[in-house]
Amino acid sequence: KAGVTQTPRYLIKTRGQQVTLSCSPISGHRSVSWYQQTPGQGLQFLFEYFSETQRNKGNFPGRFSGRQFSNSRSEMNVSTLELGDSALYLCASSSQLDNSPLHFGNGTRLTVT
Amino acid sequence: TQLLEQSPQFLSIQEGENLTVYCNSSSVFSSLQWYRQEPGEGPVLLVTVVTGGEVKKLKRLTFQFGDARKDSSLHITAAQPGDTGLYLCAGARRGAQKLVFGQGTRLTINP
Repeated sequence: KAGVTQTPRYLIKTRGQQVTLSCSPISGHRSVSWYQQTPGQGLQFLFEYFSETQRNKGNFPGRFSGRQFSNSRSEMNVSTLELGDSALYLCASSSQLDNSPLHFGNGTRLTVT
Repeated sequence: TQLLEQSPQFLSIQEGENLTVYCNSSSVFSSLQWYRQEPGEGPVLLVTVVTGGEVKKLKRLTFQFGDARKDSSLHITAAQPGDTGLYLCAGARRGAQKLVFGQGTRLTINP
């Protein structure tokens, strides 16, 4: 079974731009969660999607948004990028909406200059 | 304020030594998961503990869930350089639909 795939692996953007990150979950997994990882804050929950619906949302500004498609693939978008958005963005999939173990992708490293 | 506090945050020891990493909270969790993350990769699940007092072993790694289900520990025996990585604990709460992660313990095993 293929693992969770995130694209792109690396991204460099400038302040004010917007970015879209993509995540393909493990086949059959319907839940996709997004996390932001920084050295200072650790893993911070962004949002979770299940069957194309956002089920949970973390404490991030509205500039962070996401969506899930009918094939469970998910995208997250960050608009009006700020320097502080530089981070590793991790996507994780699981088979259920509950607290089943998460299967993480290798992340997208976003650098905002 | 972090719901799950991990200690120590950084640990650097020599190959062959033993170590223990802690994950503490004032909240009760229905289960607790431990992940290891290596550079350039996402976290990988090591174990899930569910019952208070439960002990699980994974080769040289021993995981324990506190009796009150508020804390957990990870003990590594005879550490090896391959154990190097960021160790994350994540707690699941009843009624909540997302895991809460600790800040992690960055472990370095020197040859």
